[in-house]
Amino acid sequence: GEDVEQSLFLSVREGDSSVINCTYTDSSSTYLYWYKQEPGAGLQLLTYIFSNMDMKQDQRLTVLLNKKDKHLSLRIADTQTGDSAIYFCAVRGGTKTGANNLFFGTGTRLTVIP
Amino acid sequence: GAVVSQHPSWVICKSGTSVKIECRSLDFQATTMFWYRQFPKQSLMLMATSNEGSKATYEQGVEKDKFLINHASLTLSTLTVTSAHPEDSSFYICSARMRSSYEQYFGPGTRLTVT
Repeated sequence: GEDVEQSLFLSVREGDSSVINCTYTDSSSTYLYWYKQEPGAGLQLLTYIFSNMDMKQDQRLTVLLNKKDKHLSLRIADTQTGDSAIYFCAVRGGTKTGANNLFFGTGTRLTVIP
Repeated sequence: GAVVSQHPSWVICKSGTSVKIECRSLDFQATTMFWYRQFPKQSLMLMATSNEGSKATYEQGVEKDKFLINHASLTLSTLTVTSAHPEDSSFYICSARMRSSYEQYFGPGTRLTVT
């Protein structure tokens, strides 16, 4: 399968920007996703980017994709306490790992300090 | 649109009993449903993929006789944990996908505690 890596923890102060990073291994991956999981809840799709794009912005969220380095990041501007959650990077498999499969990173726990 | 529900949201059962978890697509037909397991502070692990009307495909290391999956209709899949043990305690999340689409829509999860 595909390996998707994320750092486990990130702490930021309220009002600052948060940047969550993710790396993956299958260069033929097509869609890359960011999900948010609040305590005891399921996954909420935040945003996604197609592999032919470098950047996508959606209100406070900015996704950057560096295909050459197989690196994906999620930037949250003006981070609020309600943004505290676990953020999962997920990659739809490409020709090497199968487009039917979704591979998840370990999740980054974002803590926003008031 | 594309709402997936799970029932129950949490369940406590005694060791040795069986428990059934339902996953429903509320406003679309789900030709494929996925079952994931999430251990505390860990990522989602795909357990099995089920297509409507056919047998589920289990991931390596997942016991198909222990985790029975039924996908009898286009809106419902069930996961039955048979002869549950405390080590089966986990957060189980389902997702659903409609025909001709790769997008998965996730349910809110079911927390299972086996005592």
